[in-house]
Amino acid sequence: KAGVTQTPRYLIKTRGQQVTLSCSPISGHRSVSWYQQTPGQGLQFLFEYFSETQRNKGNFPGRFSGRQFSNSRSEMNVSTLELGDSALYLCASSLVGQGGGTEAFFGQGTRLTVV
Amino acid sequence: AQSVTQPDIHITVSEGASLELRCNYSYGATPYLFWYVQSPGQGLQLLLKYFSGDTLVQGIKGFEAEFKRSQSSFNLRKPSVHWSDAAEYFCAVGVYGQNFVFGPGTRLSVLP
Repeated sequence: KAGVTQTPRYLIKTRGQQVTLSCSPISGHRSVSWYQQTPGQGLQFLFEYFSETQRNKGNFPGRFSGRQFSNSRSEMNVSTLELGDSALYLCASSLVGQGGGTEAFFGQGTRLTVV
Repeated sequence: AQSVTQPDIHITVSEGASLELRCNYSYGATPYLFWYVQSPGQGLQLLLKYFSGDTLVQGIKGFEAEFKRSQSSFNLRKPSVHWSDAAEYFCAVGVYGQNFVFGPGTRLSVLP
């Protein structure tokens, strides 16, 4: 069974640009959550999608958005990039969602560097 | 407010020594608990999980963890550490209807 796939693995963008990250969950999993990981803030929850609907949202500005497609693949978009958006972005896949009492499986992450 | 603490930011042990990483949580409801491990630049790998039942759970790579409700703790243990165990370890806590909350992580260094 294939794991969680995130693309691209590395990305360098300029301030003010926008970026789209992609996540393909484990087959059969309907929930995808996104996290931002930085040395100073640790793992911070961005949002969760379940069956194409955003179910939970963390405390991030509106520049961070996401969506989920009918095949459960998810994309995350960050507009008007700031230097502080440089981070490892992790996607987590779970069967029915973290709030449903199932474990989450993580992808390798996308390392975003904003210059 | 719900919170997860890992009191030790960095731990160094010698190869072959035993290991215990601490995790404490503050939740109103009965949580379910996880330990994840992350190697540099990689994603998180699930080591073990606790939902209910036996409070001592076994995981991969020879790790185990014990849930102690009275102490609100879920400490991770390994009897003999290998150099390949050097990584960052995260405790995560979840309750129904909400997303996981992760602890700040404990970085483990292993001396040869």
